[in-house]
Amino acid sequence: GAGVSQSPSNKVTEKGKDVELRCDPISGHTALYWYRQSLGQGLEFLIYFQGNSAPDKSGLPSDRFSAERTGGSVSTLTIQRTQQEDSAVYLCASSEGLAGGSTQYFGPGTRLTVL
Amino acid sequence: ILNVEQSPQSLHVQEGDSTNFTCSFPSSNFYALHWYRWETAKSPEALFVMTLNGDEKKKGRISATLNTKEGYSYLYIKGSQPEDSATYLCAFIPYGGSQGNLIFGKGTKLSVKP
Repeated sequence: GAGVSQSPSNKVTEKGKDVELRCDPISGHTALYWYRQSLGQGLEFLIYFQGNSAPDKSGLPSDRFSAERTGGSVSTLTIQRTQQEDSAVYLCASSEGLAGGSTQYFGPGTRLTVL
Repeated sequence: ILNVEQSPQSLHVQEGDSTNFTCSFPSSNFYALHWYRWETAKSPEALFVMTLNGDEKKKGRISATLNTKEGYSYLYIKGSQPEDSATYLCAFIPYGGSQGNLIFGKGTKLSVKP
């Protein structure tokens, strides 16, 4: 079946512009996660959605970052007034249930470059 | 701050060699540990989800063990093949959090020469 998809695959933007990154999880998966990997760093948790519960936003690095998940399916990560340090690969993942015992399935990522 | 350490950072082996690497995590508040393989230009692929002390998991030539009391997990690859070349990531989930916040190590980059 279809896996997790993300768009765009690559995004180049100018400092100060807003960007939106999209994630389509696997159908039926209740949990959705956003991570990013900056150059030379490990994967960094950003935000987690589980069903209708309030999202865990504890990993968002600043108030310029926000995410929503509409209808329990597609999610959009928005970065306002982008900075050069926002350049990274942004990965989305989904799982059937809670992350503790559930395998996460990752999308191919969006490579964001802020000039 | 919870820290997950992986060693070595990188590893170069010959085809046919067996190898192993380590993931160290806080031994208190353990809930689960995940292993992933991330090949260049592809998505991270789940290998194992481990939840019980003493767990041993196997998938083909790859296996993993878990010691929650001392806070480490080993990943073993038997008879390495060039297609095993990838970065191997472990991720720790502490008990009591949202269970969505995986804390990843920086990975071990494995290169297998034919």
